[in-house]
Amino acid sequence: ETGVTQTPRHLVMGMTNKKSLKCEQHLGHNAMYWYKQSAKKPLELMFVYNFKEQTENNSVPSRFSPECPNSSHLFLHLHTLQPEDSALYLCASSQRQGVRQSYNEQFFGPGTRLTVL
Amino acid sequence: AQSVAQPEDQVNVAEGNPLTVKCTYSVSGNPYLFWYVQYPNRGLQFLLKYITGDNLVKGSYGFEAEFNKSQTSFHLKKPSALVSDSALYFCAVRDMRLSFGAGTTVTVRA
Repeated sequence: ETGVTQTPRHLVMGMTNKKSLKCEQHLGHNAMYWYKQSAKKPLELMFVYNFKEQTENNSVPSRFSPECPNSSHLFLHLHTLQPEDSALYLCASSQRQGVRQSYNEQFFGPGTRLTVL
Repeated sequence: AQSVAQPEDQVNVAEGNPLTVKCTYSVSGNPYLFWYVQYPNRGLQFLLKYITGDNLVKGSYGFEAEFNKSQTSFHLKKPSALVSDSALYFCAVRDMRLSFGAGTTVTVRA
């Protein structure tokens, strides 16, 4: 495996539920990412954290709330989701050289398959 | 602005034949280009990248890619495909952020 783990692997929730996705990286990286992968669409970058600080939020609805307590852990808190939020949510990590663009590849977890009923 | 295009949704080849997955890009500065592969029920795995230097980049599992600046392309190639290469392939370009193509499904038949 890639050194990035995600739990749970599958999640079914109602629109009124509150749940959280967890990601942990064991690679010593300093940047972590949340992506949304929907069928037939490019990967959508949702959030970026560098050194535990959120540096990007790509117009993600507030029903998605990220949390990065340290450089190894990343959470995505979910509440009052919509059926169109059903997708595969991927976490990734990389080693960045400061705030400028990094040449380093990202390492991905296996994803959480989310179904919103 | 930056973007990446994978013009083929699907590529089908017979085992042992050459495999090519196409990618074109558009960036304002120097392109940093990546290929990833995704097997069923798995996350994306890094295959190779072009940052600078030789236009032909070699990566994992026998894959290589050729950077062509004049054609703004970064096609992924494998001389002899295996059934186990069947997967979803993503091209990505990085300028200020990493942008992915929509993906190409590769099916290698025995």
